[in-house]
Amino acid sequence: AQSVTQLGSHVSVSEGALVLLRCNYSSSVPPYLFWYVQYPNQGLQLLLKYTSAATLVKGINGFEAEFKKSETSFHLTKPSAHMSDAAEYFCAVSDPGAGTASKLTFGTGTRLQVTL
Amino acid sequence: GAVVSQHPSWVICKSGTSVKIECRSLDFQATTMFWYRQFPKQSLMLMATSNEGSKATYEQGVEKDKFLINHASLTLSTLTVTSAHPEDSSFYICSARIPGSGVDTQYFGPGTRLTVL
Repeated sequence: AQSVTQLGSHVSVSEGALVLLRCNYSSSVPPYLFWYVQYPNQGLQLLLKYTSAATLVKGINGFEAEFKKSETSFHLTKPSAHMSDAAEYFCAVSDPGAGTASKLTFGTGTRLQVTL
Repeated sequence: GAVVSQHPSWVICKSGTSVKIECRSLDFQATTMFWYRQFPKQSLMLMATSNEGSKATYEQGVEKDKFLINHASLTLSTLTVTSAHPEDSSFYICSARIPGSGVDTQYFGPGTRLTVL
């Protein structure tokens, strides 16, 4: 079974500071990995995804994540936080070998707070 | 592209009544849609996988007779919460996968907040 662990349910950074949201995965096969963002009372928006190509993945809104197999990690980073980045962030994993039967397994989420 | 809508965005109903939530893919055909449930400040829990033209596949612990899923067309899946009770109050989110996209990416709807009184 696949799983993801997001360390830190709540992260607070100052505007302009580095954002680092941690995600570690557990999978018996090379997984697909995703980061989604959720604003209050809204659905999820895809930030970026890793699908076994380049290990450094660039997404929308200046976010990027690096797949590190040796560390089973897929941490999300942004060099400079903006107030509009305040939201809930979810890491998710799926099994590419499962084809159309593949399902997403989500982490518990990390709430990012950006302060002035 | 890849826009998914849900209707209604919020609904309040009395205990014992049934509520239907619609999930539509607006600019693509979706053979597979997913229904999630999210409790306050928690993650998304997959309830079921909805396949066009066939029965939905429910996750363990999800009552099939309580959460009826119908995927009658390539752009519409519905979730009906039957005989709703206060404990069914939650945020329900659907997602859809673009068929043949080659990458397992789901596009999410904006969610429906259900409150059962």
